[in-house]
Amino acid sequence: DGGITQSPKYLFRKEGQNVTLSCEQNLNHDAMYWYRQDPGQGLRLIYYSQIVNDFQKGDIAEGYSVSREKKESFPLTVTSAQKNPTAFYLCASSSRSGQNQPQHFGDGTRLSIL
Amino acid sequence: GESVGLHLPTLSVQEGDNSIINCAYSNSASDYFIWYKQESGKGPQFIIDIRSNMDKRQGQRVTVLLNKTVKHLSLQIAATQPGDSAVYFCAEGNSGNTPLVFGKGTRLSVIA
Repeated sequence: DGGITQSPKYLFRKEGQNVTLSCEQNLNHDAMYWYRQDPGQGLRLIYYSQIVNDFQKGDIAEGYSVSREKKESFPLTVTSAQKNPTAFYLCASSSRSGQNQPQHFGDGTRLSIL
Repeated sequence: GESVGLHLPTLSVQEGDNSIINCAYSNSASDYFIWYKQESGKGPQFIIDIRSNMDKRQGQRVTVLLNKTVKHLSLQIAATQPGDSAVYFCAEGNSGNTPLVFGKGTRLSVIA
């Protein structure tokens, strides 16, 4: 089955700890995205990548980092600098960024503070 | 299951009735629009899209209407079923190289 896999489904972070959320896609999509979802605030863009070895900051990139070393993978690290990391994190991909293409989403990772 | 939105606008509809979910978009340069459905604890699922050269597009039990004059988008669901209960998001995009911009969502509750 083609799709986007996010892992883990639930993640807990201790104070001062960095954690990495995994996102893998086998759709052969060029573009990948990370969103944060908080109650009542919809989806906010953290980072996106249009092509391997390239990525851009979204609206709320502070406290997060990403890498895009492989086309199929776009991991997100939530660093200790992110003071309010508790949220539902969604990864998405599209065949191309913009250019009127729908984004396909994974089923999310819920991150909580211990 | 997890809540994806505690303070979202809510639309309650009787099973079998038609539902209309509205969205006001912000960018007059947007030329592509999508509706997504998100069930609790899951990622958004694509429902239907429409480009700005159209004002109506139909899918299976769903219709999207676009009014560019007032920057308004709506999703109509015919014969609403309990399985339609979810949060619905609209998103807007353009032909440039920028990601989609998502609205805040509307929760649809179907009363059996």
